[in-house]
Amino acid sequence: QVQLQESGPGLVKPSQTLSLICTVSSGSISSGNYYWSWFRQPAGKGLEWIGRSHISGSTNYNPSLKSRVTMSVDTSKNHFSLKLSSVTAADTAVYYCARRGLSSGDWYFGLWGRGTLVTVSS
Amino acid sequence: DIVMTQTPLSSPVTLGQPASISCRSSQSLVHGDGNIYLSWLQQRPGQPPRLLIYKISKRLSGVPDRFSGSGAGTDFTLKISRVEAEDVGVYYCMQVTQFPYTFGQGTQLEIK
Repeated sequence: QVQLQESGPGLVKPSQTLSLICTVSSGSISSGNYYWSWFRQPAGKGLEWIGRSHISGSTNYNPSLKSRVTMSVDTSKNHFSLKLSSVTAADTAVYYCARRGLSSGDWYFGLWGRGTLVTVSS
Repeated sequence: DIVMTQTPLSSPVTLGQPASISCRSSQSLVHGDGNIYLSWLQQRPGQPPRLLIYKISKRLSGVPDRFSGSGAGTDFTLKISRVEAEDVGVYYCMQVTQFPYTFGQGTQLEIK
C-alpha cells in the first residue's frame, strides 16, 4: 500500500528557507500518473493548498505563496520536495503532502501523509 | 480565488441521528471538461485529512455508505445518515476545479 511521509526540520529561523521532503513508499513516483501536492494547516485553523509538482517538471503554486515557493520531484530518490523562502511566524503550521491522480476519474486527493509540524522561531 | 463557504460551522448531533453540512462556492465549479471537482474530507483530531467523497458524490473505496454527497452548480451537501462516535471531527469541502485549490472553513461535528 502506497504511503507518503513528510520529513524535514521542525524548527526554522525567521527569514530562512523551510525545506521539506515527502517520501513515497511502496510505490513509484516515476509512473507519471500523479501530481504531488503540498498543503499546510496552522494550529486550530483550516487547510491551505500550497502547490503541486509533476515528474515532467510542471508546477503550479498558490499565488499567495508563489514568490516564495519551489517544488520539485526527484525520481531517483522517489520523493518530492517543498522549499519556502523568507519564512515568518505566519508560516508555522503542520505541512502535509498528498497525491492527486492525473486522469479526470482520479482527480482527488485520496492519499495524504501524516503531516509534519514546522515552527518558525528564533 | 474560489471562496468555499460551509454551514454550519458547528454541528452537535445525537448518535444515530442524521447530519448534514452545506458548502457553497463563490463561482461555478464546472471544469472545462464538464466535471465538477468537489470533494469532502474528514479530519479527526490529531489526524491528517481523509478523503470521503470526490466529484460531488463518489465515495472513496472503504468509506462507509452512511456518507453521501450531492449537489450541482455552486451548492453541495454532505450527509451522514446515522452519526457514529467515530465520525467526530472537522469536515471540509474542497474544490479541485480551478487553481488555487481552496477549502471551506470546516464544520466541527460533535456528539450531543
